[in-house]
Amino acid sequence: DTAVSQTPKYLVTQMGNDKSIKCEQNLGHDTMYWYKQDSKKFLKIMFSYNNKELIINETVPNRFSPKSPDKAHLNLHINSLELGDSAVYFCASSQNLAGETQYFGPGTRLLVL
Amino acid sequence: GDSVTQMEGPVTLSEEAFLTINCTYTATGYPSLFWYVQYPGEGLQLLLKATKADDKGSNKGFEATYRKETTSFHLEKGSVQVSDSAVYFCALTLSGYSTLTFGKGTMLLVSP
Repeated sequence: DTAVSQTPKYLVTQMGNDKSIKCEQNLGHDTMYWYKQDSKKFLKIMFSYNNKELIINETVPNRFSPKSPDKAHLNLHINSLELGDSAVYFCASSQNLAGETQYFGPGTRLLVL
Repeated sequence: GDSVTQMEGPVTLSEEAFLTINCTYTATGYPSLFWYVQYPGEGLQLLLKATKADDKGSNKGFEATYRKETTSFHLEKGSVQVSDSAVYFCALTLSGYSTLTFGKGTMLLVSP
């Protein structure tokens, strides 16, 4: 009965590959997010979606493409992976755009070799 | 722009010591303030929050008071335990706009 789940938990891949990370929430929330946590633990918003619509795209390279097939899912596809993409990616959700409490997934640890 | 500044870590304490982690913020509007905790190898969990000035958030023995005059939201606990070892993030959102702006996190290490 995990509230926000992500797959895979770990992802090791070569430079230049394309990979996807999936996120699902069973909380009935309207809004979902992707955050990136770098090696120094700094967390930064990448995208937010509300009812399947993109709301925020925080100057993320266009190699990153989020997709929301329905409001319970927000997937992240990354093309042409680079070494600097190595990080932990967290999915989160909130009740709506004004919902202040966000619920985070366990994270996906991406290592690009 | 909006920002959150936290004290740098790691903060190293012995069990039962008093904890303070400082957090100050800069925001153009009237933010809501949060503390999130990240245990090793896990995602973030909301620890406590305060939505208006002078509110006190509390949970699991941790407290923080929203101080508008000093733009601060310092985290305190009277007696830490080894199980409190984690990274603590101060964060804010602006009213009606739920994206979190995080501080850089403060690692807390508690030894027996």
